[in-house]
Amino acid sequence: SQQGEEDPQALSIQEGENATMNCSYKTSINNLQWYRQNSGRGLVHLILIRSNEREKHSGRLRVTLDTSKKSSSLLITASRAADTASYFCATDPGTYKYIFGTGTRLKVLA
Amino acid sequence: DTEVTQTPKHLVMGMTNKKSLKCEQHMGHRAMYWYKQKAKKPPELMFVYSYEKLSINESVPSRFSPECPNSSLLNLHLHALQPEDSALYLCASSQVESQGYEQYFGPGTRLTVT
Repeated sequence: SQQGEEDPQALSIQEGENATMNCSYKTSINNLQWYRQNSGRGLVHLILIRSNEREKHSGRLRVTLDTSKKSSSLLITASRAADTASYFCATDPGTYKYIFGTGTRLKVLA
Repeated sequence: DTEVTQTPKHLVMGMTNKKSLKCEQHMGHRAMYWYKQKAKKPPELMFVYSYEKLSINESVPSRFSPECPNSSLLNLHLHALQPEDSALYLCASSQVESQGYEQYFGPGTRLTVT
């Protein structure tokens, strides 16, 4: 399977702490995206990082990309209870065939 | 309007029924997608339409039949489904760009096959 792997599978932290989740993938990519999914609902796009970028920020989100290691990380700083969700990375090997990672279930405790 | 709408929200159907899922967007996106998602799993791509033409079919069984009547609408026709087809079906749309494009997802249709 070309599916990406994310770790950890589940993460539980206190409000105010930082959350880091990692994504590894198998093929070369044009870009990598992170999405959030609240329980049983549609996905929301968070951030896109292109293969020639190493780091990107958006509000409390910081994404890094290491194409030599075929990995990416998503850091959420100063987490809030509303950040409780599943987070997926999605890679684009150059077609419309976005491949989603296995996901990290984040729980932020108030 | 940055919304993708899907109807119905929930659908229960028997294995001999024929039903359709509908998806609509008015963002001018020319790529539209169907995904299937089982509980606690990532979305799996089923079909991609680009400029209203089917460009990707991920070896989906013929009991799923997509249709793109125009640039705003995407349907998924269902016939003779199996219980294992029960899942959340997600529609998404995006621009058609060579250097990456975010997908906008609808809230999904929760399908139960009895």
